[in-house]
Amino acid sequence: AQTVTQSQPEMSVQEAETVTLSCTYDTSENNYYLFWYKQPPSRQMILVIRQEAYKQQNATENRFSVNFQKAAKSFSLKISDSQLGDTAMYFCAFMMRGRDDKIIFGKGTRLHILP
Amino acid sequence: ETGVTQSPTHLIKTRGQQVTLRCSSQSGHNTVSWYQQALGQGPQFIFQYYREEENGRGNFPPRFSGLQFPNYSSELNVNALELDDSALYLCASSLILAGLPDTQYFGPGTRLTVL
Repeated sequence: AQTVTQSQPEMSVQEAETVTLSCTYDTSENNYYLFWYKQPPSRQMILVIRQEAYKQQNATENRFSVNFQKAAKSFSLKISDSQLGDTAMYFCAFMMRGRDDKIIFGKGTRLHILP
Repeated sequence: ETGVTQSPTHLIKTRGQQVTLRCSSQSGHNTVSWYQQALGQGPQFIFQYYREEENGRGNFPPRFSGLQFPNYSSELNVNALELDDSALYLCASSLILAGLPDTQYFGPGTRLTVL
């Protein structure tokens, strides 16, 4: 069975700083997606970034980038130039590609951006 | 493009009652997945509907059931409510094309409280 582990329950950083959120996962499969979702206090789960396991290049979306280490089963999220609006719960998530379409989520990291 | 919508926003029920939650998928999507998110936890997969049939189920009892309609909207029904059913219920829509699932996009959720 696949599992996703986020080892940082809570983090705080100053506005404009860079922060890295950690995630590890366990799977015996080779073909899958990894995601970071953001859930602000409004509760809406928002897709931040997606990585396809077969792609070696790390995904980037503006200030958000990932460090995908497939052999180590590690998938960290880096937020550059952090903004107050980045304050949220961040979930790392895993989904098989081609079958079993459920997403498996980690327990989340609560990120506070301080003014 | 219309995003995923859910109704109602909040709901209060008593133990033993039945509840129906509704979800409208994003335009162009043909698949709806339901998740239960307990307070302070990551979402847990309940089930997925594709082409009006259940397309995968998580570890939830049969009193959790669902429907998908021809317009791809969906309902989640929970019978014989228990106190532990109190949670945020998230609906996510996605597109399955040629048998391959794509990214899931979430609605704002329904907060269910069971007294």
